[in-house]
Amino acid sequence: KAGVTQTPRYLIKTRGQQVTLSCSPISGHRSVSWYQQTPGQGLQFLFEYFSETQRNKGNFPGRFSGRQFSNSRSEMNVSTLELGDSALYLCASSYTSGGAEQFFGPGTRLTVL
Amino acid sequence: DQQVKQNSPSLSVQEGRISILNCDYTNSMFDYFLWYKKYPAEGPTFLISISSIKDKNEDGRFTVFLNKSAKHLSLHIVPSQPGDSAVYFCAARKTSYDKVIFGPGTSLSVIP
Repeated sequence: KAGVTQTPRYLIKTRGQQVTLSCSPISGHRSVSWYQQTPGQGLQFLFEYFSETQRNKGNFPGRFSGRQFSNSRSEMNVSTLELGDSALYLCASSYTSGGAEQFFGPGTRLTVL
Repeated sequence: DQQVKQNSPSLSVQEGRISILNCDYTNSMFDYFLWYKKYPAEGPTFLISISSIKDKNEDGRFTVFLNKSAKHLSLHIVPSQPGDSAVYFCAARKTSYDKVIFGPGTSLSVIP
């Protein structure tokens, strides 16, 4: 069974630009969660999608948004990038909503210059 | 307000000895706890979990202990191996459909 895939793996953007990250969950998994990882902060929860509906949301500004498609693939968009958005963005999938044992992808490393 | 805390950013242990990673939480509503391990350039991988109705769960070399009254859990690795060197994240969840809250992680180095 293929694992969680994330594209692209690396991105370099400049302030003010916008970016879209993609995540393909494990086949059969309907829940996709997004996390931001920065040094010393651990994994900060962004949002979770289940069956194309946002189920949970973290404490991030509205510049961070996401969506999920009917095939469970998910995208995350960040608009008006700021230097502080530089981070590793991780996607995780699970079979059920809020499924605690999540399977993570390798992440997308975003650098904002 | 960090609800899941891992107060030791790093830990070094000799190969063959016990590694003890600690985690504290503030929200008494958490009912399920997990540990994840993360190697560089990879996503975290699930290691072991424990429900709030238990105080211990064991899986091979890994044992998690939960002390609900102290809002504290710990992960014991015995014996420690160099391949255990990674960042370990403690995580917790309130209900079956709630989001998982992660701690900041502890970097474990197992010295051969």
